[in-house]
Amino acid sequence: QEQLVQSGAEVKKPGASVKVSCKASGYTFDRFMHWFRQAPGRGLEWMGRINSHNGDVTYGRNFRDRVTLTWDRSVFTAHMELSSLRSDDTAVYYCARALTGQFDLWGQGTLVTVSS
Amino acid sequence: EIVLTQSPGTLSLSQGERATLSCRASQSVTSPYLAWYQQRPGQAPRLLIYGVGYRATGIPDRFSGSGSGTDFILTINSLQPEDSAVYLCQLYTDSPTFGQGTKVEIK
Repeated sequence: QEQLVQSGAEVKKPGASVKVSCKASGYTFDRFMHWFRQAPGRGLEWMGRINSHNGDVTYGRNFRDRVTLTWDRSVFTAHMELSSLRSDDTAVYYCARALTGQFDLWGQGTLVTVSS
Repeated sequence: EIVLTQSPGTLSLSQGERATLSCRASQSVTSPYLAWYQQRPGQAPRLLIYGVGYRATGIPDRFSGSGSGTDFILTINSLQPEDSAVYLCQLYTDSPTFGQGTKVEIK
């Protein structure tokens, strides 16, 4: 069964960093992996993508100064690290597998709460 | 950057009725990558339609997509209680972008 399993909820203080993992199973990790977030009452916002073949990354305009995407081939796991957290970074963060121009497999989501 | 605007914001219909959801792009879309997703509360989006009108694996045939240019439609025939959800349209050009969603309520 193909699935993406994300790490658990996090609570962070402003200024800290958070790292969310996304483990793929049931398929060969051979496609682009994208990351999105969804803040309360807001739409889905694209953060960036990583090419699992060569590790090339592309970051969304709103995040390129603060986000780092990596992947670990040995354990089929992608990571998203967001730094300099602010209260408006409180959101559910998703990884999603790209199938051409759409996303056919999603992680279950990871709630990140930023609060002092 | 193309902006996707969905309407209506909320659609309240009875079981068995047809739902027609609109997704309008701020400029004409030449990319074939227009998709629709269903998102139930507390869950991740689920791919319904890709390439404007192709159903994803396992999606019932009461879901259909159509459109071109700037106007795209998701139609849900014979609404079922489990169709209560938010529906999102998505376009991929240089990067993916989503509409803000239409909430479908079953009376």
